[in-house]
Amino acid sequence: NAGVTQTPKFRVLKTGQSMTLLCAQDMNHEYMYWYRQDPGMGLRLIHYSVGEGTTAKGEVPDGYNVSRLKKQNFLLGLESAAPSQTSVYFCASRGGNTGELFFGEGSRLTVL
Amino acid sequence: AQSVTQLDSQVPVFEEAPVELRCNYSSSVSVYLFWYVQYPNQGLQLLLKYLSGSTLVKGINGFEAEFNKSQTSFHLRKPSVHISDTAEYFCAVRRNTGFQKLVFGTGTRLLVSP
Repeated sequence: NAGVTQTPKFRVLKTGQSMTLLCAQDMNHEYMYWYRQDPGMGLRLIHYSVGEGTTAKGEVPDGYNVSRLKKQNFLLGLESAAPSQTSVYFCASRGGNTGELFFGEGSRLTVL
Repeated sequence: AQSVTQLDSQVPVFEEAPVELRCNYSSSVSVYLFWYVQYPNQGLQLLLKYLSGSTLVKGINGFEAEFNKSQTSFHLRKPSVHISDTAEYFCAVRRNTGFQKLVFGTGTRLLVSP
């Protein structure tokens, strides 16, 4: 009964370092999303994918890259972390058109 | 494009009192509407959704919401809140055709005190 799993849950980086957040879902969902959550700003979409091998930009894609090599996994990469990327990152997946989003528990990233 | 406005960033209420969390949306086409709840240090989970049909939608934990097309609103209500309802609540909207991204409001923090 895993649903959507994110790793790692916490990470501290120095400015300029790189890292990858992994999202895995076991519900055979086509659509996957990466959001960031900042105080007073709600959730903002970074990138999303409509199926294996596809990715697209959301509303705040700069500084991030993604890959969806396997249907169940959606990776979010930061090539050169900046303090402005300090945030809580959420992965989500969705099945059909009327389906709800299922969220992971979040990954808290701090960039010093 | 769609947008969502949650005017109240924080709503304090006493236990067993009724509560209404307001949500207004903007869209030129038909939409689906959602309310999600986020408990401290957790991800979001679906509270309820409006897809079509009856404008009064019932969700989990005794919450309900009413879709009002003329006022472009989807307010969330509960007749009697519990301490355990303390959480952040997000309203979200999406076009009801094709693949469309879900747009979230900025959230309303519900604070229930004894």
